[in-house]
Amino acid sequence: NAGVTQTPKFQVLKTGQSMTLQCAQDMNHEYMSWYRQDPGMGLRLIHYSVGAGITDQGEVPNGYNVSRSTTEDFPLRLLSAAPSQTSVYFCASRVTGRYGYTFGSGTRLTVV
Amino acid sequence: TQLLEQSPQFLSIQEGENLTVYCNSSSVFSSLQWYRQEPGEGPVLLVTVVTGGEVKKLKRLTFQFGDARKDSSLHITAAQPGDTGLYLCAGGSQGNLIFGKGTKLSVKP
Repeated sequence: NAGVTQTPKFQVLKTGQSMTLQCAQDMNHEYMSWYRQDPGMGLRLIHYSVGAGITDQGEVPNGYNVSRSTTEDFPLRLLSAAPSQTSVYFCASRVTGRYGYTFGSGTRLTVV
Repeated sequence: TQLLEQSPQFLSIQEGENLTVYCNSSSVFSSLQWYRQEPGEGPVLLVTVVTGGEVKKLKRLTFQFGDARKDSSLHITAAQPGDTGLYLCAGGSQGNLIFGKGTKLSVKP
C-alpha cells in the first residue's frame, strides 16, 4: 500500500493564480481531511469529508474548495492564491470508527 | 473553542536523559493521540488513548491520559538521537482532530 499520496511536493504560485493540490489514498478510508501547518500555529483543519459526496468546513476554510467524487481522492483547490496561503498542506485519512490518522508527506506551497 | 496547550515548546537534552512533555486542555476529549513529525514529513501516529487514566507503553515511551480526559503526558526514558522530532498531541472532537502546537525535541549524542 502507498498510504496517502500528495502531489506536488513543492509549488510556487503567483498571487491570484489557482491550483489544485492532489491527495489520494489506497486504504479505502472513508474519512479524509486537509490541514495546513504554519510556524507557531500548529496544524489547522481546512476541510474534511466523511465519505464520497460529503464534505464540510473546518477551522480555516476561506479561500479553499474541496470535492469528494471517489473514496480514494480528495483534492484541495485554491481559487485565487494569496500570500497568506503560504504554508505546508497535509492530507490525512482514517477509517470511520477508528481514531488514528494516516498523513501524507505534505505539499509546501509558496505564494509570491 | 477547544484548545490543546503543549509544554515545553522546545526541549534540548543529552542522550540517555529522561524527559516528559505535557498536553493540557480545559475541555474533555473523547480520545487523545500523540504523533511524531520529522522535518519534511507528515505526522506519524504513535499512540491513541481513549480511557481516563489509561497508560500505554511503546518501548521507551510511556503515554498517560488524565483521569478527567483533559490532559495527557508523554514520558521518554533514556532518550536517543533517533527520538529527535516534533511531538504533537491531538484531541478527538466530533470526529475531527484538534492539534496542539507541538514540542520540538532535540536529543544530542
